[in-house]
Amino acid sequence: GQSLEQPSEVTAVEGAIVQINCTYQTSGFYGLSWYQQHDGGAPTFLSYNGLDGLEETGRFSSFLSRSDSYGYLLLQELQMKDSASYFCAVRSGYSTLTFGKGTMLLVSP
Amino acid sequence: GAVVSQHPSRVICKSGTSVKIECRSLDFQATTMFWYRQFPKQSLMLMATSNEGSKATYEQGVEKDKFLINHASLTLSTLTVTSAHPEDSSFYICSAIEGPGRAFFGQGTRLTVV
Repeated sequence: GQSLEQPSEVTAVEGAIVQINCTYQTSGFYGLSWYQQHDGGAPTFLSYNGLDGLEETGRFSSFLSRSDSYGYLLLQELQMKDSASYFCAVRSGYSTLTFGKGTMLLVSP
Repeated sequence: GAVVSQHPSRVICKSGTSVKIECRSLDFQATTMFWYRQFPKQSLMLMATSNEGSKATYEQGVEKDKFLINHASLTLSTLTVTSAHPEDSSFYICSAIEGPGRAFFGQGTRLTVV
């Protein structure tokens, strides 16, 4: 089976840096994705790591260590609009994604 | 990025009626689409995988006869909630994969059964 663990909630202030961790146990692994979902909206794709290391996209970076079954999403220069839920998802098959329970990020002034 | 369009965004229906939700991939062909259900403050629960030209694959615990899925073309999948009841009220979201690990989601459908 598949299981993913991520914190349920993280709080931070504007301008800060926050890291959301994700550990996983899966029977197959091709990569780790991250998605953002604002309240009432649909998830949007943020990043994908198929190999170990850091992927940077603007203020967001994502890291993967396959040997540790671990990844994280790093958000820099936090803005109020970054308040949302963030989901990690394991690609366990060609087109199969399994989502974590999500981390609610609350950014305060 | 790829665009997936879902319609309607909101629907209110009476108990016992059926509701159809459409999911279209607008700028790419999707042989496989996914249907999720999401309760407030919870994660996405995969209901079924929709395969173009063949039967959908349902997750354990999801009633096939209640949630009918049709994937008649490479750009359209539909989910029909049959004989809806208040407990079926939820947020339904479709997605399609376009590239490794990249899922693109429709806008979601907020279903309320009264």
